[in-house]
Amino acid sequence: QKEVEQDPGPLSVPEGAIVSLNCTYSNSAFQYFMWYRQYSRKGPELLMYTYSSGNKEDGRFTAQVDKSSKYISLFIRDSQPSDSATYLCAMSQGAQKLVFGQGTRLTINP
Amino acid sequence: GAVVSQHPSWVICKSGTSVKIECRSLDFQATTMFWYRQFPKQSLMLMATSNEGSKATYEQGVEKDKFLINHASLTLSTLTVTSAHPEDSSFYICSAFPGGGYEQFFGPGTRLTVL
Repeated sequence: QKEVEQDPGPLSVPEGAIVSLNCTYSNSAFQYFMWYRQYSRKGPELLMYTYSSGNKEDGRFTAQVDKSSKYISLFIRDSQPSDSATYLCAMSQGAQKLVFGQGTRLTINP
Repeated sequence: GAVVSQHPSWVICKSGTSVKIECRSLDFQATTMFWYRQFPKQSLMLMATSNEGSKATYEQGVEKDKFLINHASLTLSTLTVTSAHPEDSSFYICSAFPGGGYEQFFGPGTRLTVL
């Protein structure tokens, strides 16, 4: 069993839709939870960061962490074609050594 | 924001040769740098962690004699793939951690193709 599970998709939604991306994990020691966006053949860029459980909102993006269920989510509101990318969840015990999910390939259709 | 560069961005080499990839933090000093490998449609897998002036720490299953890492300064780390084989073809990404806080900054990646 992988430490972090993420549905690879692909996921295709119309412009303006709300997108929900999720990851589950098995290591209860994870404390730092992140979402990265990766465009094709580029390095990942950090979108959202959450420490421990709770919600965090930044513009159109909302990250949720439920440690009791070992489940994290990223919501994208009013999705735009420019949001089309691969989204990777990542988590760690000590904020440095990241364990990544497989990534979900998202396409927003105009 | 903090910028990390990688050079080259892509490289093609023959089987049996060695390839060096550079990772530089351009506007900050990195106490720690990480090297990841990403196969097509797969996630990033951590290969090794390097700290300036000390030996790299390799993840289980990563051959340290094959993937040589040198963190010569606080702004430069290099990954040398020795005696490369076609199965080493992959996307190699580095990240740099400035110390303090939580965020590590990723380079744009290097695509290695071994013929």
